[in-house]
Amino acid sequence: EAGVAQSPRYKIIEKRQSVAFWCNPISGHATLYWYQQILGQGPKLLIQFQNNGVVDDSQLPKDRFSAERLKGVDSTLKIQPAKLEDSAVYLCASSPGWGVQYFGAGTRLSVL
Amino acid sequence: AQSVTQLGSHVSVSEGALVLLRCNYSSSVPPYLFWYVQYPNQGLQLLLKYTSAATLVKGINGFEAEFKKSETSFHLTKPSAHMSDAAEYFCAVSDSNDAGNMLTFGGGTRLMVKP
Repeated sequence: EAGVAQSPRYKIIEKRQSVAFWCNPISGHATLYWYQQILGQGPKLLIQFQNNGVVDDSQLPKDRFSAERLKGVDSTLKIQPAKLEDSAVYLCASSPGWGVQYFGAGTRLSVL
Repeated sequence: AQSVTQLGSHVSVSEGALVLLRCNYSSSVPPYLFWYVQYPNQGLQLLLKYTSAATLVKGINGFEAEFKKSETSFHLTKPSAHMSDAAEYFCAVSDSNDAGNMLTFGGGTRLMVKP
C-alpha cells in the first residue's frame, strides 16, 4: 500500500514570496490533515479536511495560509506571503478513522 | 482542552539499557493516547496506541506503554535499547477514536543511544 506522498521535500524561498505544498493521501482515506512542525517542537495542526470539506482550521493563519482539497483527494497548502517564522516542516497526514493517522515525509521550508 | 507534556527533551541511554520516555496528559474526557516515532528527515510512524482496552499496550520494535489513569501518564518503555532506536518520540492525545479525530502532540523527546 502506497503511503502519504508529499512534494517538494525541500523548499527555500525569500520572505514575502509565495510557496505551495502538495499532498496525496493514502487511497480511500477520507480525512486529511496538515501540520506545521517547527524545529524542536511537536507537530501543530493547521487544518483538517473530511473529504473535501474543512472540519477544523482554527489554527490556520488565514491572512497568509490557505488550503484546499479538491475532489476530496489531493490537497495543496499555500503560504502567501511567507514570513521568516514560517520556516518549519509541513507534514501531511491521512486517516481512515479509528484513531490512526499516517504521515508523509514532510516538506522542509526555509524562509530567508 | 487537551495537552501533553513530555518530560525531558533529550534522553541518552547505553545500548542494551532500559528505555523510559515519559508522557503525561491532560484531558477532560477519557483519552485516546498514541506514541509516534520520527527518524531524521522522515514523517511520523505510529508505535502504539491506547484506545480504552488493555492498559498495557504493546507496539512495534519491542516498545510498550502503560496507561495509568490515576497518574495521567502514558510512559513508553523498551527493556533493551538498540542503536536503531535513536530517533525523536512524540506522545499524542485525542478525545476521539472516530474518523476526524484531532491529535495534540507533546514537544517530543530525542532518544540517543550510546554504543
